[in-house]
Amino acid sequence: DVKVTQSSRYLVKRTGEKVFLECVQDMDHENMFWYRQDPGLGLRLIYFSYDVKMKEKGDIPEGYSVSREKKERFSLILESASTNQTSMYLCASRRSGIRYEQYFGPGTRLTVT
Amino acid sequence: GQQLNQSPQSMFIQEGEDVSMNCTSSSIFNTWLWYKQEPGEGPVLLIALYKAGELTSNGRLTAQFGITRKDSFLNISASIPSDVGIYFCAGQVSYNTDKLIFGTGTRLQVFP
Repeated sequence: DVKVTQSSRYLVKRTGEKVFLECVQDMDHENMFWYRQDPGLGLRLIYFSYDVKMKEKGDIPEGYSVSREKKERFSLILESASTNQTSMYLCASRRSGIRYEQYFGPGTRLTVT
Repeated sequence: GQQLNQSPQSMFIQEGEDVSMNCTSSSIFNTWLWYKQEPGEGPVLLIALYKAGELTSNGRLTAQFGITRKDSFLNISASIPSDVGIYFCAGQVSYNTDKLIFGTGTRLQVFP
């Protein structure tokens, strides 16, 4: 079974703090993704990566950065957290090739106060 | 970003009933995926579809890739309380992109 894990299920941070969200997958997938999920807005893609040290902007990259130093790990960084970044953050991964199934982690619910 | 139209938005049904939901798009899709998300959890992949007209089952779940390639359907037969959750469709528009476009979700409640 594909396993995608995220470092925290719940996180509370203060405005202005630097926040790191970690995601690890154990299936040797090349592609990894970060989404945020908000009521009424659905899942929105923040960044994705198709290889180590490679990254691509998604639909809403502003205020975020990412790091992929190892194939299995993809980190999302909030350089200076703001209250409008309070959300559910979901990491996903998939294998390169013609099958496009993305497998999601359990999510991190981040609250910025 | 773009979203798929998914309907109905919510359903309240009795245990044992069958359920149908669908997603439609103005764009042609190459892939359709169906996910289920329970409260406080990440989406779990249920079914993947890759060919127009394809019909695929996963237990009591059956999904179809529409012939026009602009829609997909998910049916759940003989619903049970643990079917409760939000069901999302997701589609991939182009083979040249990794991006999925997600539906707005159908919230399913099952009453015993």
